[in-house]
Amino acid sequence: DAGVTQSPTHLIKTRGQQVTLRCSPKSGHDTVSWYQQALGQGPQFIFQYYEEEERQRGNFPDRFSGHQFPNYSSELNVNALLLGDSALYLCASSGRGRLNEKLFFGSGTQLSVL
Amino acid sequence: DQQVKQNSPSLSVQEGRISILNCDYTNSMFDYFLWYKKYPAEGPTFLISISSIKDKNEDGRFTVFLNKSAKHLSLHIVPSQPGDSAVYFCAACTGTASKLTFGTGTRLQVTL
Repeated sequence: DAGVTQSPTHLIKTRGQQVTLRCSPKSGHDTVSWYQQALGQGPQFIFQYYEEEERQRGNFPDRFSGHQFPNYSSELNVNALLLGDSALYLCASSGRGRLNEKLFFGSGTQLSVL
Repeated sequence: DQQVKQNSPSLSVQEGRISILNCDYTNSMFDYFLWYKKYPAEGPTFLISISSIKDKNEDGRFTVFLNKSAKHLSLHIVPSQPGDSAVYFCAACTGTASKLTFGTGTRLQVTL
């Protein structure tokens, strides 16, 4: 049983560019959350999707947007990249009830903005 | 605005001894607390949780204590094992299904 898979694992972009990160949830899970982990910091909640809609959002600008597809996979899009967007982006999935004890994280996408 | 704080970036403990990791929070609305463990190149994995209606929760070698009046929780690992070496994150939420607010993590090294 594959867990949460994220692609790509590493990505290098330049300021002003746009990036799309992808996430496939664990089998049987229908909810996807995205977190940003800057160097030396804990993960910070970006937003959560289920039933193909954004349900909760953290304190991130509109440059950060997402999408969830009918197969429950999700994309995170960041426009007009800034140097400060360099971070590990973690995707987490959960099933019915969306209990945090049942939250499974992927290994993340390391984004470097030059 | 750091609502969840882990003031010790690192901790080194001998194998077999007790490891105590601390966490403080400022938001009184938090009513559920969790600990996650993270190995390099892997995502965080859930370890143990506690509801604000309890002051202790135990699961094998891991025990979490919650002091609501002090807004403080701690994770005890007894006995510590080399495989416990990882970064430990404290997290809090309002309701068990709401967004998590993480601390900055404590890197635990268990030495032989």
